[in-house]
Amino acid sequence: AQTVTQSQPEMSVQEAETVTLSCTYDTSESDYYLFWYKQPPSRQMILVIRQEAYKQQNATENRFSVNFQKAAKSFSLKISDSQLGDAAMYFCAYKVNEKLTFGTGTRLTIIP
Amino acid sequence: KAGVTQTPRYLIKTRGQQVTLSCSPISGHRSVSWYQQTPGQGLQFLFEYFSETQRNKGNFPGRFSGRQFSNSRSEMNVSTLELGDSALYLCASSLGQSKGADTQYFGPGTRLTVL
Repeated sequence: AQTVTQSQPEMSVQEAETVTLSCTYDTSESDYYLFWYKQPPSRQMILVIRQEAYKQQNATENRFSVNFQKAAKSFSLKISDSQLGDAAMYFCAYKVNEKLTFGTGTRLTIIP
Repeated sequence: KAGVTQTPRYLIKTRGQQVTLSCSPISGHRSVSWYQQTPGQGLQFLFEYFSETQRNKGNFPGRFSGRQFSNSRSEMNVSTLELGDSALYLCASSLGQSKGADTQYFGPGTRLTVL
C-alpha cells in the first residue's frame, strides 16, 4: 500500500523568509505523480505544484519549488519570500491512476 | 472556466437518515473523485467515476455509494448515517484520460454534520 508521511505537523516562518516542508512516500510503483496542495481556512483545496516521477528536473512555480529525490522517495516543498497569504495547511499527495493518497498535513504559520 | 462546484455547502442530518451530495466538474473533465476529510482520519479516497462508471474505489462500507451522469456531474449518497460520517466531503475533477497524469482540481467541499 502507498503511504505518504509528513513529519512536521506545524511550521512557522517569518514573512519574506524561506521555509521547506518535508514529505516522504512509500510505493512500489514506477509511474506516479506527486503534488502539493494547500488548504487555507476556507477549506478549499488548492493545487500548489506537481511533479512527474519520470522527470528528473525539479518542478518550480514562481515562489514554490520542490526537491524531488526519487531514490530516497522524498518530495519536499520550498516556499521562498513567504507571504501572509501562504498561511495554510499543506498536504503532500501521491497519485497513481486517479487515486490521491494524502499525507497528514503541515500547518504553516507566517509571522509578520 | 468555472471551477468545480459542490452543493449543498453545509448539511445537518440525524443518525439513520440518508444524504445525497452533488458535484459538478470543470467543463470538459470526465473524471470525478470523492474524498472524505476528518480530523481523525485525514483525507481518504472514497471512489472515482469516469464516463458514468466507477473506476476506482477506496475502503469504505457499502453505505457510501455514488454515480455519475452523462454530463459528468456526480452524486454521492450515504445511507443510514452514523455520527462518524460527520466530515468535509471533497469532490475533485480531472480530464481522467492519461492514466493518472491529469491533475485533480477540487471543489469547496460539503460540510456534513450528523447529530
